[in-house]
Amino acid sequence: QSVLTQPPSVSGAPGQRVTISCTGSSSNIGAGYDVHWYQQLPGTAPKLLIYGNSNRPSGVPDRFSGSKSGTSASLAITGLQAEDEADYYCQSYDSSLSALFGGGTKLTVL
Amino acid sequence: EVQLVESGGGLVKPGGSLRLSCAASGFTFSNAWMSWVRQAPGKGLEWVGRIKSKTDGGTTDYAAPVKGRFTISRDDSKNTLYLQMNSLKTEDTAVYYCTTEVGVVTAIFLTWGQGTLVTVSS
Repeated sequence: QSVLTQPPSVSGAPGQRVTISCTGSSSNIGAGYDVHWYQQLPGTAPKLLIYGNSNRPSGVPDRFSGSKSGTSASLAITGLQAEDEADYYCQSYDSSLSALFGGGTKLTVL
Repeated sequence: EVQLVESGGGLVKPGGSLRLSCAASGFTFSNAWMSWVRQAPGKGLEWVGRIKSKTDGGTTDYAAPVKGRFTISRDDSKNTLYLQMNSLKTEDTAVYYCTTEVGVVTAIFLTWGQGTLVTVSS
């Protein structure tokens, strides 16, 4: 059971917008720690997608965006494309200096 | 190009030991904080632990499930990160990734290796 809670799966048709939620608590996200998001394409290593709640590393399309409020965060993907089909993980931090991951969300492009 | 290449995975019996290595290139390894993250088959990501740069003290932090059994070390002269795993359990079966870790009062896993599979089974 992960400390950060994500929906196991989401789906959307090409061109649509989907969001993935990440719910934590007052000891991690709610304590002010940043949330980061990773994309893991099938059979590959994870890749940093969003850092510091809403920042995109160079090369990540602006179709991907992140936000954070209170004890939760969200990843939004607009203009859904077939190549976006992947597992997505949120990640934060807690006061014990531990990095925490969400359980992951499988995105299916219909 | 920043690159991380893990090696040393394999099949080991419960109670056994294994040492993983991660060869780094394309950046100043000695200045980097490094972490290990694992992923059990069909499961999510789990942070294992980190080692800070020597200039930041070179200290280590571990996740509760591995504390006391796993040891992270580094050889800056060889640009190599290590994960010594002792008293292995079946639940340690996973792909182990080494990552660079950046951030202030946070942990961002910036660059990932391709991973090495550790299977703990009798």
